[in-house]
Formats: sequence, structure tokens, C-alpha cells
Amino acid sequence: DAGVIQSPRHEVTEMGQEVTLRCKPISGHDYLFWYRQTMMRGLELLIYFNNNVPIDDSGMPEDRFSAKMPNASFSTLKIQPSEPRDSAVYFCASSLKGLHTEAFFGQGTRLTVV
Amino acid sequence: AQKVTQAQTEISVVEKEDVTLDCVYETRDTTYYLFWYKQPPSGELVFLIRRNSFDEQNEISGRYSWNFQKSTSSFNFTITASQVVDSAVYFCALRTSNTGKLIFGQGTTLQVKP
Repeated sequence: DAGVIQSPRHEVTEMGQEVTLRCKPISGHDYLFWYRQTMMRGLELLIYFNNNVPIDDSGMPEDRFSAKMPNASFSTLKIQPSEPRDSAVYFCASSLKGLHTEAFFGQGTRLTVV
Repeated sequence: AQKVTQAQTEISVVEKEDVTLDCVYETRDTTYYLFWYKQPPSGELVFLIRRNSFDEQNEISGRYSWNFQKSTSSFNFTITASQVVDSAVYFCALRTSNTGKLIFGQGTTLQVKP
């Protein structure tokens, strides 16, 4: 399997623009997680899904952030409108059914909002 | 509430020294899972080990060993005879059985100097 695939790897956008980050989890995995990593806040869990259903979005910082998982092989994280403080590395991860299993991470998307 | 604390922000050692990375967790669940991940300078997150709450056996894998103590809610990671290639950020993570939520500590940056 190719692992978790995220796109784009790098994104530079202007403040106020809409940004969409994409994730393809490992085939057969039931859980999908979105994390944000910054120097100040470390690795924060934004939202996670189980069987395409959002379970906990309490980590989503503001209404400007939204995430969807229309099917088992695709998820998006959207920021609209983007702000400079959203600059971070965004990771997607997936895991097999069973809470004891480890999560596998994508390479991350480095977002810069200028 | 779940929480993972890695009190050591940065550690610097000289090659061949032993080093222990601390991890303390909080959860009300009786069944949970603990993980360690490594993030080398290239940025990807690499899974190292998983531990179940009902298995307190310590584990050794080459130069790596893990000490899990439920009495102190700790899951510490020791690298024996450290090498420059061990330089990375190390994350401890907790996943509880009732939600599947996977949260991370702030990470410890380990620098191994030649």
C-alpha cells in the first residue's frame, strides 16, 4: 500500500483565500485523523472520523475550519477564509478498525498564509 | 479528560550516552493504549511502539526500551548508546477505548551530538 497520501505537500496562499487540504487514507482503515503542528502548540488533534462519520471536532479552532469525509478513501480539510496564524503543517493519519492499532501518518501539508 | 505530558522540551546528549524521555498520561478509562512516535528532521511521523493498559511488561527493541508503570501513569522511553541518527522529536501518545481519540504530548526534541 502507498500509505496515507496528502496533497498538496506545500501550499502558499494569501490571507482571505480558501484553502483545501486533501487526504487519502490507507485502504481498509476505519479511522481518519487531522492534526495541525506548530512550534507553539505542538501536534493538535483537529477532528477525527470513524467510518466516514465525524466523531469529535472539538479541536477545530474556529468556524473557518471544516472537514469532510465523503467516502472511505477521501477526506478534505478546508479553511475559509485563511489567516496568517493558520500557517502550520497539517497531518492526516489513518488507523485500522480497533482502538489498539497505531495510526499511520501522511507526509503532511506545509501551509503558509501570507 | 485525556492528557499527555512530556515535560522535557529539549534534551541534548553526546553520542553513546543513554537518554530517557519521560511521558506521563492522564485518563479515566481503564482500557487505553500508549504509543511512541519519532519525527526526524525530514518531518514524517514514524510509529515506534504500542502498549496496552493491561500489559505492563517492559519492552526492548535493540537500543530502544520502554518502561510502562500504571502506578505512576508513566510510559518512559530509553535510548541506550545514543547515536546522531537518533536526533529527532519524539512524541508520546494516548488512545482510549471509549472514543478512539488519539492525542499527543508536546514532544521532546532530542539532539545527539557527535
